[in-house]
Amino acid sequence: GAGVSQTPSNKVTEKGKYVELRCDPISGHTALYWYRQSLGQGPEFLIYFQGTGAADDSGLPNDRFFAVRPEGSVSTLKIQRTERGDSAVYLCASSSRGSIWGQVLSYEQYFGPGTRLTVT
Amino acid sequence: GQNIDQPTEMTATEGAIVQINCTYQTSGFNGLFWYQQHAGEAPTFLSYNVLDGLEEKGRFSSFLSRSKGYSYLLLKELQMKDSASYLCAVRDSNYQLIWGAGTKLIIKP
Repeated sequence: GAGVSQTPSNKVTEKGKYVELRCDPISGHTALYWYRQSLGQGPEFLIYFQGTGAADDSGLPNDRFFAVRPEGSVSTLKIQRTERGDSAVYLCASSSRGSIWGQVLSYEQYFGPGTRLTVT
Repeated sequence: GQNIDQPTEMTATEGAIVQINCTYQTSGFNGLFWYQQHAGEAPTFLSYNVLDGLEEKGRFSSFLSRSKGYSYLLLKELQMKDSASYLCAVRDSNYQLIWGAGTKLIIKP
């Protein structure tokens, strides 16, 4: 079946511009996560949606970052007044209510290919 | 604070066995995950441990000791395609994943 998709795959923008990054999760997955990852680092949590609502946005670095998921499926991460420090790979992941691993539910996250954002 | 520690880089030989360690200090524990990430690609799920002990899945096994805050990923019969970064992540009391920086595994012929 179709996995998590993200568009665009690459985005180059000038400092100060506005960008939108899109994530299309696996059909039926209620949980959606945004992360960003810099070279040689693990993913850094940004925001988590359960359905349409942002259940945890504690990872958003400042008010220039905002994300929506209006119909509980596709999500858009919006970055205003981009800065060079925003350059990273932005990863989206989705999760179902759980799958069996041994005898317990794992709720593993499935990642999209990412959007590489470069702010010049 | 929350912290996940794993070695930055390891080197092993094709056909051999390698063990990648992960230690963690988190606010709460609701499971530990191992993910594989090839360069320029997204992480892919490898294993999940929530109870102490060893979970085996083909050439890969993962071990957990909750009392020690410790896990390892064991890779057997190494293949060149196993060259990748291996990420350890712990799900905390808020059910969010706390990620390590990853261990870059280099396989030599």
